[in-house]
Amino acid sequence: DTGVSQDPRHKITKRGQNVTFRCDPISEHNRLYWYRQTLGQGPEFLTYFQNEAQLEKSRLLSDRFSAERPKGSFSTLEIQRTEQGDSAMYLCASSSQQGARGYTFGSGTRLTVV
Amino acid sequence: QKEVEQNSGPLSVPEGAIASLNCTYSDRGSQSFFWYRQYSGKSPELIMFIYSNGDKEDGRFTAQLNKASQYVSLLIRDSQPSDSATYLCAVSPNAGKSTFGDGTTLTVKP
Repeated sequence: DTGVSQDPRHKITKRGQNVTFRCDPISEHNRLYWYRQTLGQGPEFLTYFQNEAQLEKSRLLSDRFSAERPKGSFSTLEIQRTEQGDSAMYLCASSSQQGARGYTFGSGTRLTVV
Repeated sequence: QKEVEQNSGPLSVPEGAIASLNCTYSDRGSQSFFWYRQYSGKSPELIMFIYSNGDKEDGRFTAQLNKASQYVSLLIRDSQPSDSATYLCAVSPNAGKSTFGDGTTLTVKP
């Protein structure tokens, strides 16, 4: 068990470009979550999966954001036509038991849109 | 009103003292409550979870839950400089996603 892995650790992109992040959860965890965190704020929910099914997506999330977990293992988060306001730390977490015992977070992907 | 409220701090305590961190939440349907620790530049790390009213102890940490008052707290006994971090409170309905507060920054002075 190597924990939750996220790639890349850092991403700098120009406004208007598309970016994709990857998350590999703990292998025995069936739930996978994406959160976004900006300085001084708590993690903000984006979406989560149980196995390959996307169970919920934040209403705050624009259509530029999409996530997949095609085989119930790793997940990708894509942001299209990035904006400066998308600059944040993107955190992936996984859990077993429907999250009843909390999450294990990855190290995050820091996105900077210039 | 935010769903999960925490005092942003900073909270400063001397080494060896008890640090008390508080959190209130608005959703009465919340069933699970969590405390995470986040060091600067790092991702959150789970410290404790609690489901039932009352106290739950784990080493130097005690979580306290009062569902009637919609209040959850974390006590850190014998605080150490290594406890200096931001503490995030999170709440969840049964089997749903967690909603996080913005955290309380704790500084433990040697």
